[in-house]
Amino acid sequence: DIQMTQSPSTLSATVGDRVTITCRASQSIHNWLAWYQQKPGKAPKLLIYKASYLQSGVPSRFSGSGSGTEFTLTISSLQPDDFATYYCQQYDDYSFGQGTKLDVK
Amino acid sequence: EVQLVESGGGLIQPGGSLRLSCAASGFTFSGHWLHWVRQSPGKGLVWVSRINGDGSSTSYADSVKGRFTISRDNAESTLYLQMNTLRVEDTAVYFCTRSFSYSRRYFDLWGRGTLVTVSS
Repeated sequence: DIQMTQSPSTLSATVGDRVTITCRASQSIHNWLAWYQQKPGKAPKLLIYKASYLQSGVPSRFSGSGSGTEFTLTISSLQPDDFATYYCQQYDDYSFGQGTKLDVK
Repeated sequence: EVQLVESGGGLIQPGGSLRLSCAASGFTFSGHWLHWVRQSPGKGLVWVSRINGDGSSTSYADSVKGRFTISRDNAESTLYLQMNTLRVEDTAVYFCTRSFSYSRRYFDLWGRGTLVTVSS
């Protein structure tokens, strides 16, 4: 089984900040890496797929990068709507990272 | 409207059974793999099971293998999850989600979820 490790678990930031979340896979995952945003009581929303491809309708301040086993999600200028929990997922055998809660500093 | 709508959750005693449904609309149902993902209260997302487009292939997380069965009815555009021998640790919101196959197996559409509570 492929293990996904996200860091940090919690991130405190301010509107306008540039934030980065890291995800590491226990083995190479062919760039089959997705990022999701989840708000309390809601379903997750796909942001990024294939490590760096922006899902239709997602603001361009979100970007993904990385390859092999190390990946990052970057929000270039944090907006009020972005405070949420973010999950990475490898879609070889579907395991998720443990999540990163992005909250207000 | 393109959507997935889950139903069938509720309160069930340990050892009991429950069947979840997920009704799809607005897209070609048989063209997608479908999955169940669960989230225990205050915890992260955990993939549970998936089924391919014609229902001929399924897979399960080790934690539910032998107890849960995923199936689909393409004529009715509905996905199912039969859950048997339920345990307290199965308590979670269960989400239905779709993907394409092969290199496009990311989850691009999610339902709102249905809550399953296993408790005596």
